[in-house]
Amino acid sequence: DTGVSQDPRHKITKRGQNVTFRCDPISEHNRLYWYRQTLGQGPEFLTYFQNEAQLEKSRLLSDRFSAERPKGSFSTLEIQRTEQGDSAMYLCASAAASDTQYFGPGTRLTVL
Amino acid sequence: AQSVAQPEDQVNVAEGNPLTVKCTYSVSGNPYLFWYVQYPNRGLQFLLKYITGDNLVKGSYGFEAEFNKSQTSFHLKKPSALVSDSALYFCAVRDMANQAGTALIFGKGTTLSVSS
Repeated sequence: DTGVSQDPRHKITKRGQNVTFRCDPISEHNRLYWYRQTLGQGPEFLTYFQNEAQLEKSRLLSDRFSAERPKGSFSTLEIQRTEQGDSAMYLCASAAASDTQYFGPGTRLTVL
Repeated sequence: AQSVAQPEDQVNVAEGNPLTVKCTYSVSGNPYLFWYVQYPNRGLQFLLKYITGDNLVKGSYGFEAEFNKSQTSFHLKKPSALVSDSALYFCAVRDMANQAGTALIFGKGTTLSVSS
């Protein structure tokens, strides 16, 4: 068990480009969450998967954002037509039945 | 609506002194409460949680927290602070009245600075 991993750790992109982030959860965890954290704020919920099913989406998840978890293992978060306001740390967390969410190191996105 | 408040942006303590980081919450049902710590350029690390049972919860690195239902508080404490405890601390809540919702609601965080 190596914990939750995220790739890349840092991403710099130009406005209007598409970006994709990957999250690999703890292997036996069936729940996977994406959060966004901006400077000076706590993480804000984006979306939740149980196995491969996307069960919850926040109002923060605009139509430019899409997330998948095709085989119930790793997940991807794609942002299309990035905007400067998308600059943030994107955090992934996974959980088993205990409800404790374990977080990855995050992907820091900078949109120029 | 569910919410978490951490009333102090920063807490300063001297090494060896007790520390308290405050958290209050608002939910419609019974709360699940969590504390996480974040070091620079790293993700959140789980410290402890309250689900049910004893109001005093013990967690990692000597931290503990006390659940107070009447005051809707879940303050984080440690009897003797270490310089290495300096970090950003987040309180979070899950509202168990929301059966469909499993997401955590986080406070804005409190920066703990421990001086030697």
